[in-house]
Amino acid sequence: DAKTTQPTSMDCAEGRAANLPCNHSTISGNEYVYWYRQIHSQGPQYIIHGLKNNETNEMASLIITEDRKSSTLILPHATLRDTAVYYCIVRVLTSGSARQLTFGSGTQLTVLP
Amino acid sequence: DGGITQSPKYLFRKEGQNVTLSCEQNLNHDAMYWYRQDPGQGLRLIYYSQIVNDFQKGDIAEGYSVSREKKESFPLTVTSAQKNPTAFYLCASSISAGNYGYTFGSGTRLTVV
Repeated sequence: DAKTTQPTSMDCAEGRAANLPCNHSTISGNEYVYWYRQIHSQGPQYIIHGLKNNETNEMASLIITEDRKSSTLILPHATLRDTAVYYCIVRVLTSGSARQLTFGSGTQLTVLP
Repeated sequence: DGGITQSPKYLFRKEGQNVTLSCEQNLNHDAMYWYRQDPGQGLRLIYYSQIVNDFQKGDIAEGYSVSREKKESFPLTVTSAQKNPTAFYLCASSISAGNYGYTFGSGTRLTVV
């Protein structure tokens, strides 16, 4: 599976858009990009995933570059409750696969009042 | 509402004692997972189960045991053979193995004294 690189930490002003980058330069054609977040002392929460098209849901938008070597998670109007560690994970989507999600260190996003 | 319940939230045990962490889900998910998280670190996979009566070792299975006798339940036993059991333990489930939209529980913080 492709390795991902994320900044260790980022700050964002409340009400502004938070843009979290992820580099996955060795991604292969059938690997999806997944984003999770973990608020302190809670279990991770699934946010969004995509293959090559941009995706949007009620929580966030995912922008994947045309060459798929990097992506950006966008929280359009960050609130204090968005302060969390954000994980970018690359995985092949299969059925019955024995390969599971691996969570690295992620990016600590701090939303400032 | 469907979800995953981990109990208890905090657990204290004396060194040398086995302890079992509970994980129950009512999402009708086939696959279930146990992760361990140490302070400031990402998540590491302990065990996973793709279906009832089947489970596989993850990256750090030594000193742990699991069972999957019912679809809803995936208890984790931390044995006395686990050298550093103090950690935050997270249980997750997904519709099937290879589907990476995981739902996580709120975790159990185990402290061994």
